[in-house]
Amino acid sequence: AQSVAQPEDQVNVAEGNPLTVKCTYSVSGNPYLFWYVQYPNRGLQFLLKYITGDNLVKGSYGFEAEFNKSQTSFHLKKPSALVSDSALYFCAVRGQAGTALIFGKGTTLSVSS
Amino acid sequence: ETGVTQSPTHLIKTRGQQVTLRCSSQSGHNTVSWYQQALGQGPQFIFQYYREEENGRGNFPPRFSGLQFPNYSSELNVNALELDDSALYLCASSLARVGDGYTFGSGTRLTVV
Repeated sequence: AQSVAQPEDQVNVAEGNPLTVKCTYSVSGNPYLFWYVQYPNRGLQFLLKYITGDNLVKGSYGFEAEFNKSQTSFHLKKPSALVSDSALYFCAVRGQAGTALIFGKGTTLSVSS
Repeated sequence: ETGVTQSPTHLIKTRGQQVTLRCSSQSGHNTVSWYQQALGQGPQFIFQYYREEENGRGNFPPRFSGLQFPNYSSELNVNALELDDSALYLCASSLARVGDGYTFGSGTRLTVV
């Protein structure tokens, strides 16, 4: 069975500092990994995905994520946080083609000015 | 290219009633999934339709049912509503190819009283 763990309910960071939001996964076969962001009372917005190739994936709004197969992790990073990055972030995994996305419980990112 | 649209945006129902939520897929997408997101939780997979056939289901009871139409739009029906069904219901569409992510709608906020 596929599963995703986001070990931190909340991450607090000061504006301008680097941020990391952690995600680990479990899936049989090759993982297809995604990060989504959700603003209050809104749907999910796609940030980035890892399918194959380079372990460092670059996405929207300056975010990037590093795929680590040995640690089964896919942590979201940004070199310099903005207050506007404050939102709820979800990591998701998709196994074989045609299967649905399975989400973690989410991590609230709070960036202070 | 249109995105995913859901209707209605908000809905209040009484316990025991039935509800139908609607979703128009992104143009060209042949797969639609429905998710339930309770307050403070990650989206939980309800079921998925591919070319009008259900091809995956999460841990939801049979009173949650759905349809996908030839134009790939979709409905989620919930019978005998319970208070715990109060949640944001998200629809997402995809091409179901390996590595494809999903495009999400803004959701329907269902409140059961």
